[in-house]
Amino acid sequence: DTGVSQDPRHKITKRGQNVTFRCDPISEHNRLYWYRQTLGQGPEFLTYFQNEAQLEKSRLLSDRFSAERPKGSFSTLEIQRTEQGDSAMYLCASSSPSGILSGGYTFGSGTRLTVV
Amino acid sequence: RKEVEQDPGPFNVPEGATVAFNCTYSNSASQSFFWYRQDCRKEPKLLMSVYSSGNEDGRFTAQLNRASQYISLLIRDSKLSDSATYLCVVRGTGFQKLVFGTGTRLLVSP
Repeated sequence: DTGVSQDPRHKITKRGQNVTFRCDPISEHNRLYWYRQTLGQGPEFLTYFQNEAQLEKSRLLSDRFSAERPKGSFSTLEIQRTEQGDSAMYLCASSSPSGILSGGYTFGSGTRLTVV
Repeated sequence: RKEVEQDPGPFNVPEGATVAFNCTYSNSASQSFFWYRQDCRKEPKLLMSVYSSGNEDGRFTAQLNRASQYISLLIRDSKLSDSATYLCVVRGTGFQKLVFGTGTRLLVSP
């Protein structure tokens, strides 16, 4: 499979617990993005990596959120002390440098988080 | 004000109808424009890029008006399989990320 993989597909957690999601981008894509999508809304940008460097973070990304991309390959998104408002679909996307110019994000299937 | 604004719909149309969606963007420095399609509970996928000269892909026609900061998508001869949410997307100068609108939901009925 040469697409973007996200794991897990679904996560139910109790409020206050920590959760971690993983994204494996397309291997030749050096750019990786995390977005969050809630019902009835479009994807909202969270953060962006070029190789291993985190180049931009949204103000949506509170100090409870942290993302890493060690070695410029897979990425993890951790949410600490989850709140009910964190319930959403977390989407990962990757692109090549030329791909972003042509709109060529490839999204993964997402991780649906439910905080109870 | 959101960077990209769309009418959320839903637009309910019969098969064979022509339907048009519009969106506006606030950043005049935006350089690239796209329409993405998102099926229910699936990830967004690129439908087509949008150019000032207008571009067509089969039954789909996209148009950009830079002066009015306005983007449109026209779907002719609607099919049941066109039922989805259509996301208007922009990228600004030097910006390495895409900004998505809230999406417009289309429901095509028999």
